[in-house]
Amino acid sequence: DVKVTQSSRYLVKRTGEKVFLECVQDMDHENMFWYRQDPGLGLRLIYFSYDVKMKEKGDIPEGYSVSREKKERFSLILESASTNQTSMYLCASISGIGKNEQFFGPGTRLTVL
Amino acid sequence: DAKTTQPTSMDCAEGRAANLPCNHSTISGNEYVYWYRQIHSQGPQYIIHGLKNNETNEMASLIITEDRKSSTLILPHATLRDTAVYYCIVRVGSGTYKYIFGTGTRLKVLA
Repeated sequence: DVKVTQSSRYLVKRTGEKVFLECVQDMDHENMFWYRQDPGLGLRLIYFSYDVKMKEKGDIPEGYSVSREKKERFSLILESASTNQTSMYLCASISGIGKNEQFFGPGTRLTVL
Repeated sequence: DAKTTQPTSMDCAEGRAANLPCNHSTISGNEYVYWYRQIHSQGPQYIIHGLKNNETNEMASLIITEDRKSSTLILPHATLRDTAVYYCIVRVGSGTYKYIFGTGTRLKVLA
């Protein structure tokens, strides 16, 4: 079974802190994604990566950056956290073959005070 | 990029079929329709996908209209555990796998 894990289920940070959210997948998938989910807004794509060191902006990249140094790991970085970044963050990966289904991690609920 | 429109919420009686509609009128010829669901406090889970033919698997059936402008996900015998938010997604972009999730349909299965 594909497993996508995220470093924390719950995280509380202060305004202005640098925040790292880590995501690891164990199935050698090429493509990885970061979404945020807010009530009434559904899932919105922040960034995605289709290969090591490659990244593309999603719909709401402002205030975020990403890093993909290894194929299995995709990190989301909040350079200076703000209260409007309080949200649920979901990581996903896709194999690129077969059904092309996205496998999601359990999510990280980030609160910025 | 093709977008989807779904009803905000629906109710269904336990044991009955749940029919969840999705409109994707701007879909391109090579774009697939995917359905996912998200049970509270979990990440979304893949259900089924299709291009133009109807599809069935152990979880659900997908009916796509001939003009491909809309589709319906059918859960043949809904259970309480099917209560979730259901997302209809059109896969966009060639060579990449960018998905656009809308707000989905909140399905409540009633005992």
